[in-house]
Amino acid sequence: DTAVSQTPKYLVTQMGNDKSIKCEQNLGHDTMYWYKQDSKKFLKIMFSYNNKELIINETVPNRFSPKSPDKAHLNLHINSLELGDSAVYFCASSQSGTGSNEQYFGPGTRLTVT
Amino acid sequence: QQQVKQSPQSLIVQKGGISIINCAYENTAFDYFPWYQQFPGKGPALLIAIRPDVSEKKEGRFTISFNKSAKQFSLHIMDSQPGDSATYFCAASPSGNTPLVFGKGTRLSVIA
Repeated sequence: DTAVSQTPKYLVTQMGNDKSIKCEQNLGHDTMYWYKQDSKKFLKIMFSYNNKELIINETVPNRFSPKSPDKAHLNLHINSLELGDSAVYFCASSQSGTGSNEQYFGPGTRLTVT
Repeated sequence: QQQVKQSPQSLIVQKGGISIINCAYENTAFDYFPWYQQFPGKGPALLIAIRPDVSEKKEGRFTISFNKSAKQFSLHIMDSQPGDSATYFCAASPSGNTPLVFGKGTRLSVIA
């Protein structure tokens, strides 16, 4: 059973297009995140959601819009894609109130903008 | 401003040897320090984590050493195996469900 899943695994698109990445977790967690891993493998937080509410937006361009229809899903929509958006995007989840901040990551979506 | 500094960038260790990766942090509000292992094409996987109330935590061949006064922590992999070859990330966060701040990663190669 996959704990945190993402679709698609690979996404190749042209500049200016709009695309979405979907994330689902079956761990029963109430907090979900989007991280971006650049070409040098540096991982950086983009968004954090708790119980479908946006908690953190780390100075991400407005072209990126996360949407959480329920606690188990956090999707990422990107408008007007740019070359610099090429990266691997990871969804993660954790459970609040446990005294721990264990975060579980999905397999990633490799976005290539040409 | 890099809040978590990780070294070395890459590491080559003989099979059976000890792999040591170091991290230093600046933010004294950090209260949770995990290590993640990432294989090519996969997501980061939680390996082991520590809180500042203990100086060491061991799980199998993996040990975290934590020095609160120096604001440093390290990962030791005992009896390193070729299957341990991966990129390792240290991270830190304040208490609660907050985003992790990652180090830049260490690419470990264990050679036979």
